[in-house]
Amino acid sequence: AQSVTQLGSHVSVSEGALVLLRCNYSSSVPPYLFWYVQYPNQGLQLLLKYTTGATLVKGINGFEAEFKKSETSFHLTKPSAHMSDAAEYFCAVSEVAGGFKTIFGAGTRLFVKA
Amino acid sequence: EPEVTQTPSHQVTQMGQEVILRCVPISNHLYFYWYRQILGQKVEFLVSFYNNEISEKSEIFDDQFSVERPDGSNFTLKIRSTKLEDSAMYFCASGTSRSNKNTGELFFGEGSRLTVL
Repeated sequence: AQSVTQLGSHVSVSEGALVLLRCNYSSSVPPYLFWYVQYPNQGLQLLLKYTTGATLVKGINGFEAEFKKSETSFHLTKPSAHMSDAAEYFCAVSEVAGGFKTIFGAGTRLFVKA
Repeated sequence: EPEVTQTPSHQVTQMGQEVILRCVPISNHLYFYWYRQILGQKVEFLVSFYNNEISEKSEIFDDQFSVERPDGSNFTLKIRSTKLEDSAMYFCASGTSRSNKNTGELFFGEGSRLTVL
């Protein structure tokens, strides 16, 4: 069964600083990996995804993530934080065998200080 | 751009009442899902639905819950007798297009907030 662990329920960075949100996964088969963002009182929006191919994937709003199979990680980064990046971020994993049932991590709330 | 739509956006109900949450998935998608997010907590999988039947359900999805695709466009979640602990945001999602290569990406609606008093 797949699972996702997000390290740090809260991360605080200064505007312009590097954003690093950590995610480790467990999956019995090659996984599909995702990062979703949730702004207050809104739904979930896909930031980026890894399915196959290049392990460094780029998403919207300047975010990127690297799939590292040896470390079972899929950390999310952004070189320079912006105030508008403040939100909840969810790492997620899905498996083809599960009908693409997606399992979410507990989420990391990103705070951006001026 | 096609999107998943959910109604109502917010529903307040008395404990023990039945609630139906409605969703219109993206039209060429094959899989449909309901997720739940209790305030401040993680997004939890409830159920997946494919080919007019449940393909998988979680422990949360007990006999109080049911899903239905009554026509070609709607996908509903029914809670038969609501409890206080059912208060949460319920998200509908769809995925796996008939015409496109499968990416595993889910498309989520904006959610329906259920408050049980």
